[in-house]
Amino acid sequence: EVRLLDSGGDLVQPGGSLRLSCVASGFTFNNYPMNWVRQTPEKGLEWVSAISGSGDSTFYVDSVKGRFTISRDNSKNTLYLQMNSLRAEDTALYYCAKNHVDPTGYSFRAFDIWGQGTMVTVSS
Amino acid sequence: DIQMTQSPSSVSASVGDRVTITCRASQGISSWLAWYQQKPGKAPNLLIYAVSSLKSGVPSRFSGSGSGTDFTLTISSLQPEDFATYYCQQANSFPRTFGQGTKVEMK
Repeated sequence: EVRLLDSGGDLVQPGGSLRLSCVASGFTFNNYPMNWVRQTPEKGLEWVSAISGSGDSTFYVDSVKGRFTISRDNSKNTLYLQMNSLRAEDTALYYCAKNHVDPTGYSFRAFDIWGQGTMVTVSS
Repeated sequence: DIQMTQSPSSVSASVGDRVTITCRASQGISSWLAWYQQKPGKAPNLLIYAVSSLKSGVPSRFSGSGSGTDFTLTISSLQPEDFATYYCQQANSFPRTFGQGTKVEMK
């Protein structure tokens, strides 16, 4: 079964740091670009960051550039999101999500498998 | 950034109804458009990618169409399990962006 298990969410003070993890199973992890997406009732779904299968290329939404770092350890089938200088507006449910890639290796850039979500709350 | 605007924000419908949701992009996104369904307390679930390609296992009552900036998700005959919130998402460029969601409610 293809599965993503994300974890690491917590209550943290403004200015603090947190590292989210996402453990993948049931597929060849290094073949797939991965993403972090967050959700709040106010803003809905917001894509945060993406990383290529090899880890060589990374992308971020402007609001987290310079503060968040996406990375992956393909030997451990694990995706990470290091979150520094956290702000109240980073409070959200964070999901890891896998790109949909067909058997030829073509990435359709849609997210076909999602973790269950991990809650990050930034508050004093 | 490309803005995605969905309409309506909510729709009241009955089992068996045909439901259409529209998504408009602020600029052309070619065929890089996906649709997701989300139920309360659950992660989003991919329904359609590349405008009209149905993800394996998704019922054929769901269909997608459109090109350029205007796209549509249609549920041909609404079933009880289809009451949920639906989101469109563009994948033409970074940052990826989502519509604000359309809630399909029971009439």
